[in-house]
Amino acid sequence: AQTVTQSQPEMSVQEAETVTLSCTYDTSESDYYLFWYKQPPSRQMILVIRQEAYKQQNATENRFSVNFQKAAKSFSLKISDSQLGDAAMYFCAYSAGGADGLTFGKGTHLIIQP
Amino acid sequence: EAGVTQSPTHLIKTRGQQATLRCSPISGHTSVYWYQQALGLGLQFLLWYDEGEERNRGNFPPRFSGRQFPNYSSELNVNALELEDSALYLCASSFEPGTGGNQPQHFGDGTRLSIL
Repeated sequence: AQTVTQSQPEMSVQEAETVTLSCTYDTSESDYYLFWYKQPPSRQMILVIRQEAYKQQNATENRFSVNFQKAAKSFSLKISDSQLGDAAMYFCAYSAGGADGLTFGKGTHLIIQP
Repeated sequence: EAGVTQSPTHLIKTRGQQATLRCSPISGHTSVYWYQQALGLGLQFLLWYDEGEERNRGNFPPRFSGRQFPNYSSELNVNALELEDSALYLCASSFEPGTGGNQPQHFGDGTRLSIL
């Protein structure tokens, strides 16, 4: 079974600084998809960024970028110029494109200090 | 474009009762996924419906069931409620032309189910 591990239960960063959230996963598949979702206190899960495993280029979305290391099975999220609105739980998720839905990590609680 | 909508926002039940949770996907999306987010257990996949059929279920007992209607909205039913069923239940939708799981899933705000 696939597993997703987020080793940082909580991270704190000063506003305007850069923070990196870690995620590792375990799979025997060669083709799969990785996602980062954000869940603010309002509790809605919001898609932040998506990476396809067959693409070598790291995905970016404005201030959000990933460092995808397929051999190491690592998928970290970098948030540049952190803003107060970035405060939330961040979940790393995996999908092999099959029928098992998304497999989520336990989440990292990101605190933004003004 | 309206997002995924879930109702009710909060549901309070007692042990042994039944709960029905509802989800309306984004227009054009044919797949609906249900997840349970219980304290300490994280998000766990419950059920996947596509084109009116149950395509897969996670590691949950049969008292968790549901259906998908012709308009692609979905219902999750939980029978014989137990205290450990207390959780946030999230619904997500996507457009999955065939295999499922490739496309980004868009989530609703969830239904908080509390069992007394």
